[in-house]
Amino acid sequence: NAGVTQTPKFQVLKTGQSMTLQCAQDMNHNSMYWYRQDPGMGLRLIYYSASEGTTDKGEVPNGYNVSRLNKREFSLRLESAAPSQTSVYFCASTVGGISGNTIYFGEGSWLTVV
Amino acid sequence: EDQVTQSPEALRLQEGESSSLNCSYTVSGLRGLFWYRQDPGKGPEFLFTLYSAGEEKEKERLKATLTKKESFLHITAPKPEDSATYLCAVPNFGNEKLTFGTGTRLTIIP
Repeated sequence: NAGVTQTPKFQVLKTGQSMTLQCAQDMNHNSMYWYRQDPGMGLRLIYYSASEGTTDKGEVPNGYNVSRLNKREFSLRLESAAPSQTSVYFCASTVGGISGNTIYFGEGSWLTVV
Repeated sequence: EDQVTQSPEALRLQEGESSSLNCSYTVSGLRGLFWYRQDPGKGPEFLFTLYSAGEEKEKERLKATLTKKESFLHITAPKPEDSATYLCAVPNFGNEKLTFGTGTRLTIIP
């Protein structure tokens, strides 16, 4: 019973490098989300995909791109990493939108940009 | 803009000592309030959803309640395994954003 799976768990990048965080869910959910969590800030929405084939910006999208590869997978790409992107990243999914549905989170990806 | 404020930031209790965590919110149209538990190094784990003032939900030693301005997470006779950060969140009206509070870090001392 995997739920929401994120890779990698830990990553260290140099400023300017690029990388992609992968997320997959096995619950046949339509909606998927990427959040970042910083001390004292709470979880903030980066991008979301309400359904396969659609993506929308969240609260803090600058410096990120996303791809909804298929119904299961939603990736987050940092094209040119900056120290301000040092954070913990969480992928989440729900059957169909956040209203009235349980949102399931992955275990997180710890990213450090030096 | 929707706002969620949790208090206290941190709470240390002796095992068996009951208490409550607070989540105050300001939203333009409440579409639910979520409570999550987060253990160190893990993702948030869903606990409860409350939809209307007066609603209550229980799970083991936890009970969540909701008024028009705030929600409380009551913990009765806690055990050390209840130690975690507890987060609350509200959905924004008109989009898919969840506004999270910064959490209450609960420590239960044996």
